[in-house]
Amino acid sequence: EDQVTQSPEALRLQEGESSSLNCSYTVSGLRGLFWYRQDPGKGPEFLFTLYSAGEEKEKERLKATLTKKESFLHITAPKPEDSATYLCAVQEFLGYSTLTFGKGTMLLVSP
Amino acid sequence: NAGVTQTPKFRVLKTGQSMTLLCAQDMNHEYMYWYRQDPGMGLRLIHYSVGEGTTAKGEVPDGYNVSRLKKQNFLLGLESAAPSQTSVYFCASSYLAGGSNTGELFFGEGSRLTVL
Repeated sequence: EDQVTQSPEALRLQEGESSSLNCSYTVSGLRGLFWYRQDPGKGPEFLFTLYSAGEEKEKERLKATLTKKESFLHITAPKPEDSATYLCAVQEFLGYSTLTFGKGTMLLVSP
Repeated sequence: NAGVTQTPKFRVLKTGQSMTLLCAQDMNHEYMYWYRQDPGMGLRLIHYSVGEGTTAKGEVPDGYNVSRLKKQNFLLGLESAAPSQTSVYFCASSYLAGGSNTGELFFGEGSRLTVL
């Protein structure tokens, strides 16, 4: 059973069409939930860390929220340059606390 | 500021050949990681290190070895490459805060390996 499940696998939006990406997780003790952005041919780039239910973080057109079972990445009025794969990862209160990644959501924003 | 640098960026091997991927970071980070990324599988942790001279197994360690002789370098070795090891390999590093891994990883640009 996957600890981190992202949906949808792919999402196509028109420029300006707001939407949300979902990350559901099953861990015994969540230390942190992370969102990364990955452009084609590049390594992932850190976006946000969320630590507790109810927490929100914002960066430009992106807002990440966290509940006890899932996180949402809201994209408001997206632009073509927001096109990328968005990865979610969780960190547990275990040992050296390595991250477990989801498979990602590929976002394409058309002009 | 170079961040995390991986070499080589591309490599083609024949089955049974060996090779080493080099990762170097200039941020004085304690933690370093090697991930592989395959279509439909996401990022999977191969090995990691919590400091100079230490290594530990991740989710998919079989067929790989690692070494961290210097704090800034983390080497990933394939002793006898197999087609199943065709993948994109990412190195990452992170720092300690409050005595624990922050979870904010800095990634290299990846090394694309093809095993024929």
